[in-house]
Amino acid sequence: KAGVTQTPRYLIKTRGQQVTLSCSPISGHRSVSWYQQTPGQGLQFLFEYFSETQRNKGNFPGRFSGRQFSNSRSEMNVSTLELGDSALYLCASSLQGHEKLFFGSGTQLSVL
Amino acid sequence: KQEVTQIPAALSVPEGENLVLNCSFTDSAIYNLQWFRQDPGKGLTSLLLIQSSQREQTSGRLNASLDKSSGRSTLYIAASQPGDSATYLCAVGGNSGYSTLTFGKGTMLLVSP
Repeated sequence: KAGVTQTPRYLIKTRGQQVTLSCSPISGHRSVSWYQQTPGQGLQFLFEYFSETQRNKGNFPGRFSGRQFSNSRSEMNVSTLELGDSALYLCASSLQGHEKLFFGSGTQLSVL
Repeated sequence: KQEVTQIPAALSVPEGENLVLNCSFTDSAIYNLQWFRQDPGKGLTSLLLIQSSQREQTSGRLNASLDKSSGRSTLYIAASQPGDSATYLCAVGGNSGYSTLTFGKGTMLLVSP
């Protein structure tokens, strides 16, 4: 059974640009959540989607957005990139959202 | 606001030792607690999930306990091996029941041969 797949693995952008990250959950999983990991703040919850609806959102500015498609694949978008957005972005999936989470390998975003 | 603290931040032990990693949280109204390991440059691997109504979970050489009333969890690793070297993260699930986890900063474990 394929795991959680995140693309791309690495991204380099400049300030002011926007970026889209993709996540394909484990087959049959309907909940997809996103986390940001930085050395200073650790892992922080961004948002969670279930059946194409955002169920929960973390304390991040509106520049961070996401969506989920009918096949449960999810994308997150960051607009007007800032240097502080440099981080490892991790996607996780689960069946309904309250079971064991399965994480992807992440997308390492560097903003120059 | 839930806060999760892990002690120690780093731990170095010789192979074969039994060890305990600690996790504390400020709000006892949790849905579940999970322990993860993270290898450098990689994503997280779930080790154990404890529901709020449970006291402990075991998987192989790993045993996790939960004392919700005191806001504490421990991860016990028996007979440690060099392959156990990784960062161990504790994460608390909020009462919504959804995958909105609050993570600790982790314990970096090094097991030397």
